Amino acid sequence: GAVVSQHPSRVICKSGTSVKIECRSLDFQATTMFWYRQFPKKSLMLMATSNEGSKATYEQGVEKDKFLINHASLTLSTLTVTSAHPEDSSFYICSARGTGRTQYFGPGTRLLVL
Amino acid sequence: GIQVEQSPPDLILQEGANSTLRCNFSDSVNNLQWFHQNPWGQLINLFYIPSGTKQNGRLSATTVATERYSLLYISSSQTTDSGVYFCAVEANSGNTPLVFGKGTRLSVIA
Repeated sequence: GAVVSQHPSRVICKSGTSVKIECRSLDFQATTMFWYRQFPKKSLMLMATSNEGSKATYEQGVEKDKFLINHASLTLSTLTVTSAHPEDSSFYICSARGTGRTQYFGPGTRLLVL
Repeated sequence: GIQVEQSPPDLILQEGANSTLRCNFSDSVNNLQWFHQNPWGQLINLFYIPSGTKQNGRLSATTVATERYSLLYISSSQTTDSGVYFCAVEANSGNTPLVFGKGTRLSVIA
């Protein structure tokens, strides 16, 4: 089946620093990638949708200057949390869709901001 | 936007028991997926099932699109089935993302 990887799997950083998370589709071309956020014991909340070569579409309430998304190729999207603060600590999950309708999810990245 | 409701929110089973998880959605969909989230957070894709019935081992799922619900059946449950089960749907309106329900937290005890 289709495989999506994320890197890093976990990261601890100091408040005020920026963190970049990579999402890669390993064996298919992803025309669309999605970024979700999950708080403990909660469901996944969509943050943004990104299509290769165009600007990401952010959900209401998600700051686009805070969460920078780049989808530079058909196999790579990145999420950069700029000037991270403790309230940004969360589990970030990406997903990718190719030509079909199925979304394939990465293993997630745990971010802890001290 | 489309609403997704899952029931029950929590379920405790004795090992070997069967269970049915339900997912109701508020609008037409062109994608419905069931996931199991393991203790490490990984979402395991169980079924892609916008309509019809599918089976995979002890798991099966049925989606009745016209009545806007889907059911996930777990038979002969095992402790390794514990975790959170999510239903997620994509509205029938273009290239839209999956919208997740709140999940059913399943605990299977020996």
